[in-house]
Amino acid sequence: DGGITQSPKYLFRKEGQNVTLSCEQNLNHDAMYWYRQDPGQGLRLIYYSQIVNDFQKGDIAEGYSVSREKKESFPLTVTSAQKNPTAFYLCASSMRGDLSNQPQHFGDGTRLSIL
Amino acid sequence: GQNIDQPTEMTATEGAIVQINCTYQTSGFNGLFWYQQHAGEAPTFLSYNVLDGLEEKGRFSSFLSRSKGYSYLLLKELQMKDSASYLCAAGYKAAGNKLTFGGGTRVLVKP
Repeated sequence: DGGITQSPKYLFRKEGQNVTLSCEQNLNHDAMYWYRQDPGQGLRLIYYSQIVNDFQKGDIAEGYSVSREKKESFPLTVTSAQKNPTAFYLCASSMRGDLSNQPQHFGDGTRLSIL
Repeated sequence: GQNIDQPTEMTATEGAIVQINCTYQTSGFNGLFWYQQHAGEAPTFLSYNVLDGLEEKGRFSSFLSRSKGYSYLLLKELQMKDSASYLCAAGYKAAGNKLTFGGGTRVLVKP
């Protein structure tokens, strides 16, 4: 079945460590997105990629980095510069990134906590 | 900015109707999405409105007024499984497919 796979489901980070969250999709979608969700809050956009080998900062990109070397994959690295990384991270994709009428489809999320 | 406003929480009884309102900035607006999110899970797509009027999908309907910058999601014949957060998200022409999400409305259905 086609879908978006995020791994791991739960992740723990020590202070000063970088961690990478995986996101893979087999929907053949052009665009991919990373969101952060804090308890009781909506989604805030971290980074997005409208097409392979290209990505742009979202509203809260500081302390995060991404790459988009393959269409199927959009990993997110949470660096030690991110001072408050504990959150629920959601990856999404949409068929196209240049049209604003495409629904985004979400993975099951990764919950990151600081040890 | 492109603020999206929706109520934080609503409570309703099983079998009843609940209407979740959402307001957004109209400048450059293209269309509006509604998503359902159960606690700890991924959001799932419910509806998309680009034209004025009501779109009905079973027990759920979504309405849009472009001139007023207003949408609502109507949940009818509420069931316990409808207890979830409902996210309103607006798309803007200049932003490609980048969506701006509201904070979500947590709906609690009581027996």
